[in-house]
Amino acid sequence: QSVLTQPPSVSGAPGQRVTISCTGSTSNIGAGYGVHWYQQLPGTAPKLIIYDNSNRPSGVPDRFSGSKSGTSASLAITGLQAEDEADYYCQSYDSSLNSSVFGGGTKLTVL
Amino acid sequence: QLQLQESGPGLVKPSESLSLTCTVSGGSISSSSYYWGWIRQPPGKGLEWIGNMYNIGSSYYNPSLKSRVTISVDTSKNQFSLKLSSVTAADTAVYYCARNQHYYDPWGRGTLVTVSS
Repeated sequence: QSVLTQPPSVSGAPGQRVTISCTGSTSNIGAGYGVHWYQQLPGTAPKLIIYDNSNRPSGVPDRFSGSKSGTSASLAITGLQAEDEADYYCQSYDSSLNSSVFGGGTKLTVL
Repeated sequence: QLQLQESGPGLVKPSESLSLTCTVSGGSISSSSYYWGWIRQPPGKGLEWIGNMYNIGSSYYNPSLKSRVTISVDTSKNQFSLKLSSVTAADTAVYYCARNQHYYDPWGRGTLVTVSS
């Protein structure tokens, strides 16, 4: 059981918008710690796509955006493309565990 | 451009210790205010944080692994290492090293370690 909760799967058609939620608690997201998102294509290492809730590293398309409210965060992907099909993970810090924590991951399927 | 590369045995026997090294290139492991971390991913499962260390030697470990984990740094070789003792089949995973500044970036390509007799 992950400290951060994500839906196991989401799907959408090409061109559509999808969102992936990440629900935490008052000892992590709700305590003000940043939420970061990673994309993991099949057989590859995770890649940072959003850091500190809503910032995109250089080279990440602006189709990817992040937001945070209360004890939850969300990753939105607009204009879905086949190449977006991957696993997505959220990550933050938990003060009660004194640990980095990851969500369980969400598999995005592009229909 | 900073790059990280994991190395070490791909097969470890149960009850023995797993040892991996992460070699950092394109930058100094002892510069600035970065932590260096290890994360693992069992086959078909999600990511699990193992631990982080700062280049001056302070380290932080996953409470569930703390009794078995040691992360160390060798600044002369620009490397940091992971040692996990008393391994079982549950420790079979792809092990990644990464630079940490609250978030993890960049990551190494990962190395699969299988625990089996």
